[in-house]
Amino acid sequence: QQQVKQSPQSLIVQKGGIPIINCAYENTAFDYFPWYQQFPGKGPALLIAIRPDVSEKKEGRFTISFNKSAKQFSLHIMDSQPGDSATYFCAASKGGATNKLIFGTGTLLAVQP
Amino acid sequence: EADIYQTPRYLVIGTGKKITLECSQTMGHDKMYWYQQDPGMELHLIHYSYGVNSTEKGDLSSESTVSRIRTEHFPLTLESARPSHTSQYLCASSRTGSAGELFFGEGSRLTVL
Repeated sequence: QQQVKQSPQSLIVQKGGIPIINCAYENTAFDYFPWYQQFPGKGPALLIAIRPDVSEKKEGRFTISFNKSAKQFSLHIMDSQPGDSATYFCAASKGGATNKLIFGTGTLLAVQP
Repeated sequence: EADIYQTPRYLVIGTGKKITLECSQTMGHDKMYWYQQDPGMELHLIHYSYGVNSTEKGDLSSESTVSRIRTEHFPLTLESARPSHTSQYLCASSRTGSAGELFFGEGSRLTVL
C-alpha cells in the first residue's frame, strides 16, 4: 500500500528553472517529511526536512512547501543547476522509537545546461 | 560524510549460490535498515533492526535473512540466489530519536545469472 504518492516520475528543466516535485500522503499521524537526493551510484542523502507545524522551510536553493490540510508537500529548487540532476525522494514518518520512513516512488530530475 | 560502508559494491554470481552482503557503520547508531531499490528507482524496506539481537521484516517480502550480533554490523544473506534477486541493495542507519534521518551506504548491486 503506497502511503506517499510522488509526482512527476521524471522532469527535465533548463538551467535556472524551478523544478517542482510534489508528494501527497494519507496517514495524518505522519509528523516528519524529509526529502532525499540520490546521485547515480550513490545512496540517498538527506537534503531537507520539515515538520507539519510550519508551512515552508528553505535551505539554500531548496524549499519545502507544506500544506497540512491538503496532506501535500512539495520540493522547489531555485535557480536549478546541472549539478542538481539526480533522483529525488520524498518520505514521511510517524516519529517515535519505532519510526520508519515511508518513501515516495522517486523523481528523476535532469537539468539541462 | 556518513560512515556507513557496504561490500561488495558489485557482485555477479550464478543461480543457487549463497551470498552475504556486508554493512557496517561507525556512528554507533541503534537502528539499521536494508532497502531494495528497483531499476525504476523505488525504495522498498526489506529488513530493519532496532538494536542488537533485534530484527524485523520490512514492507516488501524478501527471501533474504539478516542478523544483528553487533551494533555496527548488519549483514544480509541469501541462501540460494535466483535471477529474481537481481537488484540494488542499500543499507542505512539512524540513531534513536533522530526523527527519521537515515544515513545510506553506497549500495551493493547484485546480479544473479
